[in-house]
Amino acid sequence: TQLLEQSPQFLSIQEGENLTVYCNSSSVFSSLQWYRQEPGEGPVLLVTVVTGGEVKKLKRLTFQFGDARKDSSLHITAAQPGDTGLYLCAGAKTDSWGKLQFGAGTQVVVTP
Amino acid sequence: NAGVTQTPKFQVLKTGQSMTLQCAQDMNHEYMSWYRQDPGMGLRLIHYSVGAGITDQGEVPNGYNVSRSTTEDFPLRLLSAAPSQTSVYFCASSYGQEGYEQYFGPGTRLTVT
Repeated sequence: TQLLEQSPQFLSIQEGENLTVYCNSSSVFSSLQWYRQEPGEGPVLLVTVVTGGEVKKLKRLTFQFGDARKDSSLHITAAQPGDTGLYLCAGAKTDSWGKLQFGAGTQVVVTP
Repeated sequence: NAGVTQTPKFQVLKTGQSMTLQCAQDMNHEYMSWYRQDPGMGLRLIHYSVGAGITDQGEVPNGYNVSRSTTEDFPLRLLSAAPSQTSVYFCASSYGQEGYEQYFGPGTRLTVT
């Protein structure tokens, strides 16, 4: 059983459309990270959120951490083919000694 | 800086064989970890280390051993390979523990027949 549930598992959209990926849990996390992974490569960090209700923006990407620090979302505005990839959320619980729990990932495909 | 390097990139083993996956980082990170990635299951932590000489088990440690004799290197040993260990293995390092960016290597794709 995944501690962090991501939805949807797969998302295929046209260039210019918006999309939202969700990361949910029944557990409280002290911090939550979003990574993007491209085929044949390791994940690369996009953002870290640590405060409940926090919103961070990275160009066309908006990340939100839930007030109760149990969930998070990633919203992409006007998606581009370069946004294609596997998006992974990862949470760290207090006193976890850095042990991250990863969600199963959301595969996003943006077609021109 | 090379970042996190892993060797080999691909490996095929027969059931029962042993091997070591190599991982090295040149960023002077104290924290290193090994994950396996399987379809639909995300990344699962195998073992991790908070510094040279200190290692601990993660979520799925059975069948794997690690050691950390230097800050730079963190090899993962498969003692007796099984088909269930067919996976993509990633090594990662970070400055610290909670909330710090994990830098991942390019991965090793292992097939056990």
